[in-house]
Amino acid sequence: AQSVTQLGSHVSVSEGALVLLRCNYSSSVPPYLFWYVQYPNQGLQLLLKYTSAATLVKGINGFEAEFKKSETSFHLTKPSAHMSDAAEYFCAVSEDNDMRFGAGTRLTVKP
Amino acid sequence: GAVVSQHPSWVICKSGTSVKIECRSLDFQATTMFWYRQFPKQSLMLMATSNEGSKATYEQGVEKDKFLINHASLTLSTLTVTSAHPEDSSFYICSARLYRVYEQYFGPGTRLTVT
Repeated sequence: AQSVTQLGSHVSVSEGALVLLRCNYSSSVPPYLFWYVQYPNQGLQLLLKYTSAATLVKGINGFEAEFKKSETSFHLTKPSAHMSDAAEYFCAVSEDNDMRFGAGTRLTVKP
Repeated sequence: GAVVSQHPSWVICKSGTSVKIECRSLDFQATTMFWYRQFPKQSLMLMATSNEGSKATYEQGVEKDKFLINHASLTLSTLTVTSAHPEDSSFYICSARLYRVYEQYFGPGTRLTVT
């Protein structure tokens, strides 16, 4: 069965600094991988997705992620953090009929 | 495109009563809909998967008689929390997907508070 592990439940960066949120996956078949962002009391917004095309995936709001099969990783990055990036981020993996989420990483951006 | 709505967005009910949450795909036909539950500061936990016209498949540990799911059409699924208790208070999120498409489209969530 597929699963994802997000390393670090809380990441804090300064405004303008690099954002790196880590995600490792486990899947028996080539996975479909996703990053979502959730603001308080709201649903999930898709940031980007990997569907076996290019390994470097660009998403919305300046985020990107690189699929590395050898490391079973799909880390999310953004070169320069903005205050509005403060939120909860979830990595997810999908195969067959369902989707499994990581525990989430709360990103705090300091002024 | 691919918009999913939920109604209500927020509901308070008394212990022992039932409450129904609706999930609608507004601009596409969803062959499969999913219901998740999220406790504060935690991840989403899949409760059940429903395919249009058939019975929902519940995850282990989810009481099917307590959380009734109906997927009567390709655009509507409902979750009814029966005989609600304070421990059922949570954020419920639905999602929908197209046939053979791995991506799920999420609704905005429903905050349920049972007093």
